[in-house]
Amino acid sequence: DIQMTQSPSSLSASVGDRVTITCRTSQSISSYLNWYQQKPGKAPKLLIYAASSLQSGVPSRFSGSGSGTDFSLTISSLQPEDFATYYCQQSYRSVYTFGPGTKVEIK
Amino acid sequence: QVQLVQSGAEVKKPGSSVKVSCKASGGSFSRHVISWVRQAPGQGLEWMGGIIPISATANYAQKFQGRVTISADEVTTTAYMELKSLRSDDTAVYYCARDTSPKGGRYGMDVWGQGTTVTVSS
Repeated sequence: DIQMTQSPSSLSASVGDRVTITCRTSQSISSYLNWYQQKPGKAPKLLIYAASSLQSGVPSRFSGSGSGTDFSLTISSLQPEDFATYYCQQSYRSVYTFGPGTKVEIK
Repeated sequence: QVQLVQSGAEVKKPGSSVKVSCKASGGSFSRHVISWVRQAPGQGLEWMGGIIPISATANYAQKFQGRVTISADEVTTTAYMELKSLRSDDTAVYYCARDTSPKGGRYGMDVWGQGTTVTVSS
């Protein structure tokens, strides 16, 4: 199975900050990389698919980039509702994998 | 818009099995991958496996090979996940999720079930 890492594992930030989370895969996955947001007690929510495409209804302050093995998720101006845990997920082959997650907390 | 509704919480003994269901309504089911994802308390998301109902082809994460069986019934638009030889570390919330597009996972998983809590305890 393809292995995934995320950094940082957690971060503290203030409302209005620009935040970037990175994700790395153990082998090249082209742009088969998706990002999810999860809040406590809730199912994950799809934010970004195919590395850089914004899912319908997701605010434009979220953006994704990357290809191959290195990817990033950026929140341009952190809002109170963005404090959550973020996961990357690869879907390159029929066996998917999630990254370990990045928890974004209020400073 | 498709909705996925999962079966209720389960409490199981170590060594037993559990079978969780995920019923789809209001949209396309048969041609999309239906995945099962679990989350242990305080831990991250873990993809267990997935199935394309129309082909009945299932794929599994290496960690769960031989212990999990994912199946689907096109007639009732219901997917199932059965986990055997349960251990205490299988205690988790189990989610089903549908790939956004029948063209594959490139488009992510946009519809999720509400989650089913499985507790394994003697």
